[in-house]
Amino acid sequence: DAKTTQPNSMESNEEEPVHLPCNHSTISGTDYIHWYRQLPSQGPEYVIHGLTSNVNNRMASLAIAEDRKSSTLILHRATLRDAAVYYCILRDRDNYGQNFVFGPGTRLSVLP
Amino acid sequence: KAGVTQTPRYLIKTRGQQVTLSCSPISGHRSVSWYQQTPGQGLQFLFEYFSETQRNKGNFPGRFSGRQFSNSRSEMNVSTLELGDSALYLCASSVGTEGDGYTFGSGTRLTVV
Repeated sequence: DAKTTQPNSMESNEEEPVHLPCNHSTISGTDYIHWYRQLPSQGPEYVIHGLTSNVNNRMASLAIAEDRKSSTLILHRATLRDAAVYYCILRDRDNYGQNFVFGPGTRLSVLP
Repeated sequence: KAGVTQTPRYLIKTRGQQVTLSCSPISGHRSVSWYQQTPGQGLQFLFEYFSETQRNKGNFPGRFSGRQFSNSRSEMNVSTLELGDSALYLCASSVGTEGDGYTFGSGTRLTVV
């Protein structure tokens, strides 16, 4: 399975943008980049995913490097509710049964 | 629409007993996956079912088993419980095709004493 590396932790101030990086230098051409987050005492929650182009949704934006070896999850205005562990995961578009391989993720703290 | 429902939310069992956990996926989702989450090992994949067939399996002993019914609901069973099986067990459902994402339930917190 292609692996991802993320910083262990990051800190942000409330209402400021947050850029969460992810490196995936061994990504294959058919790997989707998925981001999930896990709030305390809850299951992981889908945030966003993309293949090649940058993606936006109501929660966040995903910026994908041109060579696809890295990506950045952007939270435009962090709130206290965004404090969570964020996971960057690769999943093969053509391997329907492939499981997600979760790393330790990035623990985001949001300061009031 | 209703999310992924896991029952029970909390469970306490004694070593050596067995336990069955239940997961009801989102309507229309045919794939159900199970994950174990512990503080030491993080989130680890157990198995995935699609249309009542196990399609993928993680590196867990045979004491961990599962099944999926024709309505896509799934159960997982752990026999001969050990203290180390104490964990949050998460179920996730998806359509099951292409690189689509999962919707996770809130999990079942199992404590083995």
